[in-house]
Amino acid sequence: QVQLQESGPGLIRPSETLSLTCAVSGGSIDSSSWSWIRQPPGKGLEWIGYIYYNGGTNYNPSLKSRVTILIDTSKNFFSLKLSSVTAADTAVYFCARGGYIFDPWGQGTLVTVSS
Amino acid sequence: DIQMTQSPSSLSASVGDRVTITCQASQDISNSLNWYQRKPGKAPKLLIYDASNLETGVPSRFSGSGSGTDFVFTISSLQPEDFATYYCQHYNNFPYTFGQGTKLEIK
Repeated sequence: QVQLQESGPGLIRPSETLSLTCAVSGGSIDSSSWSWIRQPPGKGLEWIGYIYYNGGTNYNPSLKSRVTILIDTSKNFFSLKLSSVTAADTAVYFCARGGYIFDPWGQGTLVTVSS
Repeated sequence: DIQMTQSPSSLSASVGDRVTITCQASQDISNSLNWYQRKPGKAPKLLIYDASNLETGVPSRFSGSGSGTDFVFTISSLQPEDFATYYCQHYNNFPYTFGQGTKLEIK
């Protein structure tokens, strides 16, 4: 069965670019869409965006100017870049399979933005 | 953006109870609604998709109904492993949004 695992720095400084990767195992990445979702501490879930296996993307308009999602089908992973971060970007970041129905999800990785 | 209003925000119940959570969309979303379960430190899990379809492998005590703006999620007989936070999510248009969650606690 497909499993996803997020990885990346747990602490970044304000104004830097957040970079996370999601490794996909147990299945091929070139047969679906792949999403990023986040949850700030004590708050609800926020959809960030998704990428098709062919590289097409859709982003949340509230983040669109700062977000890039990329996919590497040869290495079976996809990635998230979020530029110019502030404390408001502190959150648990999840990757998930699917473009509108998310299943399965990774366990999530906490990213803290602090100087 | 479509606002998803979940209620209650928290709920205390006992094993064996029937539990109902509602999710109201700020505009018509047809049946474009999913329900997820999240336990601390674990990956969120899809339970219901397209408002009423049970995901494969999910116990039949979970169910969903509704269309348009009003949706209901039900656990027919609570089990100890069901104590978690539940979220609804629409996908009618961009951006997709989630309800604020319902934390289900042991009474």
